[in-house]
Parts: sequence; C-alpha cells; structure tokens
Amino acid sequence: GQQLNQSPQSMFIQEGEDVSMNCTSSSIFNTWLWYKQDPGEGPVLLIALYKAGELTSNGRLTAQFGITRKDSFLNISASIPSDVGIYFCAGQRGNQFYFGTGTSLTVIP
Amino acid sequence: DGGITQSPKYLFRKEGQNVTLSCEQNLNHDAMYWYRQDPGQGLRLIYYSQIVNDFQKGDIAEGYSVSREKKESFPLTVTSAQKNPTAFYLCASSRDRGNYGYTFGSGTRLTVV
Repeated sequence: GQQLNQSPQSMFIQEGEDVSMNCTSSSIFNTWLWYKQDPGEGPVLLIALYKAGELTSNGRLTAQFGITRKDSFLNISASIPSDVGIYFCAGQRGNQFYFGTGTSLTVIP
Repeated sequence: DGGITQSPKYLFRKEGQNVTLSCEQNLNHDAMYWYRQDPGQGLRLIYYSQIVNDFQKGDIAEGYSVSREKKESFPLTVTSAQKNPTAFYLCASSRDRGNYGYTFGSGTRLTVV
C-alpha cells in the first residue's frame, strides 16, 4: 500500500500550547483528510482538503494541502485537555484513502 | 440519526474458531470498508466493497472474508487462518467513492484467548 509518513509519532504538551503535525508521502494525492480518534473509538473527520495549496480552518484547527500534493499539515492552537487522542492523516488516490501511522497527543493540564 | 454501527464492541475468541464482526450503516452509502488497527500502526485495509455483491481485497486480506448481500451491511469474518487476529477492527462507509471522506464505526476489539 501507499506509505504516508506522519510526524511526530507522539507529543506531550502543556494546556494552552499550540500543536503542529505533518504528513508526507512520495506519492501525489488528490485529497487530504485529517481525523481524530479517541481511545477505543473510531476516527472522526476533522478537516478535508481538496486543492493543492488550500488552507482550511475548523475552530482552533487549521490544515493545509501542500503545494506539491505530497504533504499536509495540521495545527491546533491553544490546546485543551479534550484535544487528547490520536490524529491521523489520510490521502486519497483513486478510489482509496491511505492512512498515516498517527500522532498521539497528550495535553497536560 | 444516520450512522454506522459495529457490534459487538468487545469480542473474545478461542484459537481455531471463526468469528464474524457486524457492520451496518443507514447513511445510504455505496462503499464500505474494513480496516485493522494495531498499536502504533496506521489503519490497514482488509477488504472494501463499492457496490452490493462485489468486493475487493485490500492490503491484508489473507485470513479474512466478507460478504455484501445488502447495501447496508458488510460483515467481516475472521477465520482460523488469520495468524494474528487480536486487533481493533474498524468499519467505514463513504459516498461517491470516498471523495468526501469516510465515516467510521466505533470499532470492535477482538481478542484471541
């Protein structure tokens, strides 16, 4: 399958700090998605990106579709305890999405 | 409310037994997917189906089987041929071949004892 490299693998931050994570690939993707997964639950879609260079916000979350179409980043501003979870990127090619390995975020109150 | 339902939430199986995981959606989505999630790894595609009575193997289909007799249902059978079946299994569905992303169920944690 397609390889998406997501970094960092884990993050431990203080409440109120900003967070940045990214996803890179050697392949071009047509769509980038960012999901959040709470422990023991399924991933929930946070942001969808459809065009190279697109910058989209959803509350405290901001994501960008890289201009080369091979990468994407997600920023979370002013983190809060409920931001804890695993964040996955996903790139679409053809009829399938390929998922990154996830970034585990821990927010320390 | 529309959604995708997986059951059971937790499942224990003895070695050598087949077990079937249920996935039902009432979103009127055409496509459905099964993923396996292991600690520290991304989601790996087991099988997917884009239309009733048709399905394709994903990256790790060996030891698994599926059926798609109804649009709403896409059950996954973990057979005794699957060497390491203990994992978290996620079902997802999408419309328009996934252009708008996938909707995931809440998962089934399978443990082989």
